Amino acid sequence: GIQVEQSPPDLILQEGANSTLRCNFSDSVNNLQWFHQNPWGQLINLFYIPSGTKQNGRLSATTVATERYSLLYISSSQTTDSGVYFCAVFTSGTYKYIFGTGTRLKVLA
Amino acid sequence: EAGVAQSPRYKIIEKRQSVAFWCNPISGHATLYWYQQILGQGPKLLIQFQNNGVVDDSQLPKDRFSAERLKGVDSTLKIQPAKLEDSAVYLCASSPTGDYGYTFGSGTRLTVV
Repeated sequence: GIQVEQSPPDLILQEGANSTLRCNFSDSVNNLQWFHQNPWGQLINLFYIPSGTKQNGRLSATTVATERYSLLYISSSQTTDSGVYFCAVFTSGTYKYIFGTGTRLKVLA
Repeated sequence: EAGVAQSPRYKIIEKRQSVAFWCNPISGHATLYWYQQILGQGPKLLIQFQNNGVVDDSQLPKDRFSAERLKGVDSTLKIQPAKLEDSAVYLCASSPTGDYGYTFGSGTRLTVV
């Protein structure tokens, strides 16, 4: 089955710093989501981004489908950005989202 | 619109006991998913329903886990008997079409002692 790997596994930032999270996937996908899981465990959708670039405030994401990777950019990080970031990919063959390994982010005040 | 509702929020049981989790998806969402998230890992799909039919249960340990979705709305996931390795957060999600509109509930944190 499709493999989804994220890097780095852990990241510690000072408040105000920028960061880039990466998601690599091993096969073609029909859709890709980025999620933020807050410290209380709630998974919140950030982006649907099967290809191209999207921006929402301090967050932006880019997916290069032909090269099978996606990037999530966080600018001017805040302590509320702490948590785990997951990418998940959807394929028409499986008709479900497969989650990556996650990046655990901690933003220090 | 109301989100995906799950209950209970937390559950602690002894090994070999049984437990059940409940999920109420967003109204009108045809697809319902149960995921298991073990600490430090990403969510893993256990079972997927389309209306009240099972689409995928290939990752469901069928000797101890069962799930149903009566009338294509609410769903129940049961574990009987529970093992220590079942300690995890059980997440329910629903979507109207499959890949868009995916919404997760808050999850049920299960601890098996």
